[in-house]
Amino acid sequence: RKEVEQDPGPFNVPEGATVAFNCTYSNSASQSFFWYRQDCRKEPKLLMSVYSSGNEDGRFTAQLNRASQYISLLIRDSKLSDSATYLCVVNTLYNFNKFYFGSGTKLNVKP
Amino acid sequence: NAGVTQTPKFRVLKTGQSMTLLCAQDMNHEYMYWYRQDPGMGLRLIHYSVGEGTTAKGEVPDGYNVSRLKKQNFLLGLESAAPSQTSVYFCASSYSKTSNQETQYFGPGTRLLVL
Repeated sequence: RKEVEQDPGPFNVPEGATVAFNCTYSNSASQSFFWYRQDCRKEPKLLMSVYSSGNEDGRFTAQLNRASQYISLLIRDSKLSDSATYLCVVNTLYNFNKFYFGSGTKLNVKP
Repeated sequence: NAGVTQTPKFRVLKTGQSMTLLCAQDMNHEYMYWYRQDPGMGLRLIHYSVGEGTTAKGEVPDGYNVSRLKKQNFLLGLESAAPSQTSVYFCASSYSKTSNQETQYFGPGTRLLVL
C-alpha cells in the first residue's frame, strides 16, 4: 500500500469554480502535512502547510483529519493560473525528516 | 540566496556511460535528498543525507551512488547508465537547526535521457 494516495484527476473546472482535492495517508504516526504545487516540467514548490486546526491562505484552505487519516485542499474562485499538479506530502519525523509524496492531482482551470 | 541549484539541467547519455549530477544549497540545511520523478509514479527517493559525510539509501537506490563531502553539496552518480534511468532528477534540502524549519525546498531538476 502506498504511503500517500491521491486521485490523479484531471479535474477540469471553469474559472471561478470551487474545487477540492483529498489525499489519504497510511502511517498514523505521520506528523507534518503539506500541499505542494508543481507546474509542468518544473520543481515542486510549497503551497501551504496543513495544521491540525485547519488553515487558510487567501483562496486556499487546507484541512487535516487525523482520525480518518486524510488531508484536503479547497481552492475557491479558481484562476487560470491555478492549473497545475497538486502534490500531497506527509512527513514522519521519527524516520529522520523523510517526506512521502502522493503522485499528484492534476487541475485544469478553463476559461 | 540561490536556494537549491542543480547542474546540469539536461543531459543525454549512452548506455554504459557514467555521469555525476551536482546539487548545491546555500540555506545551511542539514538534510539533502535525491529524487527521481517518472510519469504516473510521483517522486521516489533515491538516496538522502542527514549531514556532512553521511548518506543513506532511499526507496530506489540501485544503480546510483551519492556523496556529501561538504554540507552544501550532494552529488548523485550513475556509474553505468541504463535506459531505465531516463527520468527527471530533483534534489531537495530541508531543516536548518537555527530555524527548525522542516519544509523541503527543491532544485529546478535535471532531465536525463539514456539511449
